[in-house]
Amino acid sequence: NAGVTQTPKFQVLKTGQSMTLQCAQDMNHEYMSWYRQDPGMGLRLIHYSVGAGITDQGEVPNGYNVSRSTTEDFPLRLLSAAPSQTSVYFCASSMGVRDTQYFGPGTRLTVL
Amino acid sequence: AQSVTQLGSHVSVSEGALVLLRCNYSSSVPPYLFWYVQYPNQGLQLLLKYTTGATLVKGINGFEAEFKKSETSFHLTKPSAHMSDAAEYFCAVTASGTYKYIFGTGTRLKVLA
Repeated sequence: NAGVTQTPKFQVLKTGQSMTLQCAQDMNHEYMSWYRQDPGMGLRLIHYSVGAGITDQGEVPNGYNVSRSTTEDFPLRLLSAAPSQTSVYFCASSMGVRDTQYFGPGTRLTVL
Repeated sequence: AQSVTQLGSHVSVSEGALVLLRCNYSSSVPPYLFWYVQYPNQGLQLLLKYTTGATLVKGINGFEAEFKKSETSFHLTKPSAHMSDAAEYFCAVTASGTYKYIFGTGTRLKVLA
């Protein structure tokens, strides 16, 4: 049981490049979410999903896309990277909204 | 809509002293409240949560929190700090009918020898 896995752990992009951050869970959780963590700002919700085929926006969705084709996977796409997207990104999953969220180890992204 | 405020971005306590980390929430419906801890270069892990029932909630590593509706608070306490408690602590809120978790800005706890 691997829990929540994220790849890559580190990534450096140039402004305008695109990339996908991968997230997978093997706990059969319905709820998955993406957060970004910036100093002094805590974790801010980017997008979330309540099940395969269902996604919705969080607090800071601009510049990011998601899809959920399977229960296990919830990739986050940066369409055209900007320096303001330099951050640490965490993926999390849980059975439902009132349940414990399990977090991945994070991806540290730098956009030059 | 829900929101959460953590008072004090940095808290220092001596080893063996009481730990008190403050969290106040705002919610128009009964909230679900959580405390998570983050150790350096790691993801977050759950300390404790309140959904319904008993308002005094006990968590891992000797931490507990009390849900006080009249004060809209969910403060985290531990009677005696240990060096291993040094970490960043986040309060979070959500509620039935929403799928959005809102996290506070975090409190970094330093434990002094």
